[in-house]
Amino acid sequence: NAGVTQTPKFQVLKTGQSMTLQCAQDMNHEYMSWYRQDPGMGLRLIHYSVGAGITDQGEVPNGYNVSRSTTEDFPLRLLSAAPSQTSVYFCASSSPGTTGNTIYFGEGSWLTVV
Amino acid sequence: GDSVTQMEGPVTLSEEAFLTINCTYTATGYPSLFWYVQYPGEGLQLLLKATKADDKGSNKGFEATYRKETTSFHLEKGSVQVSDSAVYFCALSDRDFNKFYFGSGTKLNVKP
Repeated sequence: NAGVTQTPKFQVLKTGQSMTLQCAQDMNHEYMSWYRQDPGMGLRLIHYSVGAGITDQGEVPNGYNVSRSTTEDFPLRLLSAAPSQTSVYFCASSSPGTTGNTIYFGEGSWLTVV
Repeated sequence: GDSVTQMEGPVTLSEEAFLTINCTYTATGYPSLFWYVQYPGEGLQLLLKATKADDKGSNKGFEATYRKETTSFHLEKGSVQVSDSAVYFCALSDRDFNKFYFGSGTKLNVKP
């Protein structure tokens, strides 16, 4: 059971470059989301999706783009990388409407922008 | 809006000491409450959860009770081990919108 799979695990970018963080889940979850984790700030929601074809902004969406063409995949695009986007990124999925629904996380992607 | 506040760390304890990590929340409606644990270099893993008032979640010796009257969900363990060293996150989920809100995390260091 793979769960939530993120790639790449580590990436170094130059300022202004673009890249895509991939995320896939095999649990048939409707809800997927991207968080960034910074020291002392916990997890902050970037974008989320409640189903294929539907996306919405979270707390810190600027500089990021998402799409949800299938239930399984939810890529996160950095349009023009900035040093402020140096962070650890987590993809997550869950099944809405279930009492006590649990959110499942990928292992994280460590991104450094120089 | 909904939010979670947890005690700042780091918390440093000796092995076999008693652990409490405080967590309080603000929410409309009736959220579910969670504790997640993150070991170095890994993602977050569910530790325990509670879905309604007075429920007690428990796992691996850790416990937390959903207290609606004090809007709290404090994490406790009677005797910590070195292997419990990690970052612990309190979280709530808004059932209406299936959004999750996380605290800032508390780092626990357990010394032998």
